Amino acid sequence: TQLLEQSPQFLSIQEGENLTVYCNSSSVFSSLQWYRQEPGEGPVLLVTVVTGGEVKKLKRLTFQFGDARKDSSLHITAAQPGDTGLYLCAGLNSGNTGKLIFGQGTTLQVKP
Amino acid sequence: EADIYQTPRYLVIGTGKKITLECSQTMGHDKMYWYQQDPGMELHLIHYSYGVNSTEKGDLSSESTVSRIRTEHFPLTLESARPSHTSQYLCASSTGADTQYFGPGTRLTVL
Repeated sequence: TQLLEQSPQFLSIQEGENLTVYCNSSSVFSSLQWYRQEPGEGPVLLVTVVTGGEVKKLKRLTFQFGDARKDSSLHITAAQPGDTGLYLCAGLNSGNTGKLIFGQGTTLQVKP
Repeated sequence: EADIYQTPRYLVIGTGKKITLECSQTMGHDKMYWYQQDPGMELHLIHYSYGVNSTEKGDLSSESTVSRIRTEHFPLTLESARPSHTSQYLCASSTGADTQYFGPGTRLTVL
C-alpha cells in the first residue's frame, strides 16, 4: 500500500515568515500534485511535478520533487494571510490508474 | 475553471433516512471519484468510475453506493444514514492520469 506522510500537520506563523511543508513516502509515484483547500470548499490544484528533481515556482511558492520521486516539498516565501488553508499533497499511484493517494494535509495559519 | 457541481452543499438529517448526494460535471470527463474527508484531514477514496456503467469501490470501505448512468452524473446514495456517516463528501472528475477537479463538497450531518 502506498502512503504519503505530510509534515508538519499544523503550522501557525506570522505574516512575512518562510515555511516548508514536506511530503514523504517509501513508494515511487508517477507524479505528485499539491492542492490547497479552503474551509467549506473542495481542493484546488496548485501544481503537478512529474520529473525527479523537478522544481516549479508559482509566485512565492516553490515546489520540488525528489530525485527518486518518493518525496516532495512546498516552500512558501514571505507568507501572507491569504496563504492560510489546508495544503494537501497527492501522489499518482504507480499503476497509473488515475487514483490519487493523499497525504494527511498541513493546516497553515498565517497571522497578520 | 472547472465545472463540477455538488448538491446539496449542507445536509442535516435524522438517523435512518435515505439520502442521495448529487454530483455533475460539464467537462465530459470519463473518470469520476467520491472522497470522504473529516475536517482538516486527508481525503479517502470511497468510490470511483472510469465511465458509464463502470463503478468500483475505493480504498476506504463505505456503506454508500454509486451509479454512473450518464457521463456527467455520479450520484452517491446512503440507504440508511447513521451518525457515523457524518463527514464531508467531495466529488471529483478527471480526463485521465492527471489533474482531478473537485466540486465544493457536501457537508453531511446525521443526528
